[in-house]
Amino acid sequence: DAKTTQPNSMESNEEEPVHLPCNHSTISGTDYIHWYRQLPSQGPEYVIHGLTSNVNNRMASLAIAEDRKSSTLILHRATLRDAAVYYCILMGSQGNLIFGKGTKLSVKP
Amino acid sequence: GAGVSQSPRYKVAKRGQDVALRCDPISGHVSLFWYQQALGQGPEFLTYFQNEAQLDKSGLPSDRFFAERPEGSVSTLKIQRTQQEDSAVYLCASSLTGPLLNTGELFFGEGSRLTVL
Repeated sequence: DAKTTQPNSMESNEEEPVHLPCNHSTISGTDYIHWYRQLPSQGPEYVIHGLTSNVNNRMASLAIAEDRKSSTLILHRATLRDAAVYYCILMGSQGNLIFGKGTKLSVKP
Repeated sequence: GAGVSQSPRYKVAKRGQDVALRCDPISGHVSLFWYQQALGQGPEFLTYFQNEAQLDKSGLPSDRFFAERPEGSVSTLKIQRTQQEDSAVYLCASSLTGPLLNTGELFFGEGSRLTVL
């Protein structure tokens, strides 16, 4: 599976937007971009996924670069409950999720 | 239940003991995955089932690790002769589709934390 690169950590203020970047320069044409997050002492939780077009759901938005070599997860208004490790993952045809180290997001009140 | 259930939540074992970790996936989910997560790291893939068939066990770290899903629902991860390096959280995940076809969502349990003394 192709590799992703994310910053180790980021900080945000409560109720402000957060942009979490991910680089995936070796992405193949059929790889989907998935985001999961893991709150402390819990299993990972699905956030959003996309292929080429930007995607929105109730949790977040996913902005995908035109060349698909990078993407950004957008939390429109961070809350304290959004403090978690966010994983950007490429899923290929075999369907397995290969996690990296992710970005630890801290949210300050 | 509504989600993936794992038991026990916490297990302390003496080095050399055998342990068994259980996963109850969401009813009707075809795919089942096991991951190992060391402290401060992301989850690492261990093995994958589609119904009762173990299609990928490439992530199992040694032959001391064994997983089964005999009736295509509940799965057990067994670790024989535990070592200190086996200390980790073991996560189970299930998915409705099989195979995932690039778009499936994995639902994770809360994990079983294994500590080997």
